[in-house]
Amino acid sequence: NAGVTQTPKFRILKIGQSMTLQCTQDMNHNYMYWYRQDPGMGLKLIYYSVGAGITDKGEVPNGYNVSRSTTEDFPLRLELAAPSQTSVYFCASSPSYGGNTIYFGEGSWLTVV
Amino acid sequence: KNQVEQSPQSLIILEGKNCTLQCNYTVSPFSNLRWYKQDTGRGPVSLTIMTFSENTKSNGRYTATLDADTKQSSLHITASQLSDSASYICVVLLGTDKLIFGTGTRLQVFP
Repeated sequence: NAGVTQTPKFRILKIGQSMTLQCTQDMNHNYMYWYRQDPGMGLKLIYYSVGAGITDKGEVPNGYNVSRSTTEDFPLRLELAAPSQTSVYFCASSPSYGGNTIYFGEGSWLTVV
Repeated sequence: KNQVEQSPQSLIILEGKNCTLQCNYTVSPFSNLRWYKQDTGRGPVSLTIMTFSENTKSNGRYTATLDADTKQSSLHITASQLSDSASYICVVLLGTDKLIFGTGTRLQVFP
């Protein structure tokens, strides 16, 4: 049971570099999300998507971009990495919003130096 | 301000003991409340989802309670095991589309 798969698990970036965090889910869920988790803080929503071709900003979208060309994939792009983007990133999916359980990936640890 | 506060911040117990984690929220309009377990280095995993009308919900040795009047929830763990060592996150759904996450309680179970 793959569920939500994220890559890479760990990455170190230099300031100003760009990279893409990959996320794919095999549960045919319409909703997908990207969260970041900073030490001692609750998860914050970066971007979300309600279906292929549709994305929207969450609470902390600055410095990030997403796309959703298929139901399965929801990559997160970091442009011009900054130290403030050092965090743990979680991709998640759910059949719909509201009462449904959200399934999280294993996380991607990103350090910007 | 919509907030979810959890206590204690951290907790150490001996294997076999029970414990209770607390969650207070000031979220309105409230839709549902969720408890997640997050093992170190892993993603959160859902334990329970409770709506306004549900007072208690169990998942094995985990029992969640909800008092919508006082805006409080608790997660009770019975007969703790070493594998219960994790962070437990309380999450409240605001309206229909915004999840408010607590900062979690870090539980350590020692033999």
